[in-house]
Amino acid sequence: AQKVTQAQTEISVVEKEDVTLDCVYETRDTTYYLFWYKQPPSGELVFLIRRNSFDEQNEISGRYSWNFQKSTSSFNFTITASQVVDSAVYFCALSSYNQGGKLIFGQGTELSVKP
Amino acid sequence: DAGVIQSPRHEVTEMGQEVTLRCKPISGHDYLFWYRQTMMRGLELLIYFNNNVPIDDSGMPEDRFSAKMPNASFSTLKIQPSEPRDSAVYFCASSLGTTLSGYTFGSGTRLTVV
Repeated sequence: AQKVTQAQTEISVVEKEDVTLDCVYETRDTTYYLFWYKQPPSGELVFLIRRNSFDEQNEISGRYSWNFQKSTSSFNFTITASQVVDSAVYFCALSSYNQGGKLIFGQGTELSVKP
Repeated sequence: DAGVIQSPRHEVTEMGQEVTLRCKPISGHDYLFWYRQTMMRGLELLIYFNNNVPIDDSGMPEDRFSAKMPNASFSTLKIQPSEPRDSAVYFCASSLGTTLSGYTFGSGTRLTVV
């Protein structure tokens, strides 16, 4: 069975602080993909990143960075110098070829960035 | 590209009424997914299609729910009869293959059953 766990339900930080959102996944498949989505207060789901299981290289995109570690089955997301506009619910998700490509979501982490 | 288009954006209906949610996927995408989001259960997959064929409907909660994809550019999710516990945000998503391009979500339909 596949599962994604985001243990942090809510996080509150002050603007300019760095914040890391944790994601732990479970799968028996060797080929799989991990995703992060952002859901701002307006409600839409915005794609942030996709990583495949064979690429453990960390990725940085502006203030966003992702740390993928297969050894710990984790795919953590860090926002550097957070801003109020980063306030949203962030979802980690998993899909694998052998599971038909279904996207399985974690429960989400609600990030609140206060000015 | 206009993205995944869902209609209506908001729907308020009375218990017992039939509700139909609509989705137009991105042109060329061969997978279409219907998700439901609630506070209690989070984002859960209801059903998905590949090339208009339902592949997995194990997430459909009850026989009151049905989904169709008559062609590559249109899908519906129907609830008949609706119940208050069906109140949720329903998202449609499409993708090219299962992982090549990621999944693009529509803006969702917020359904309220009173």
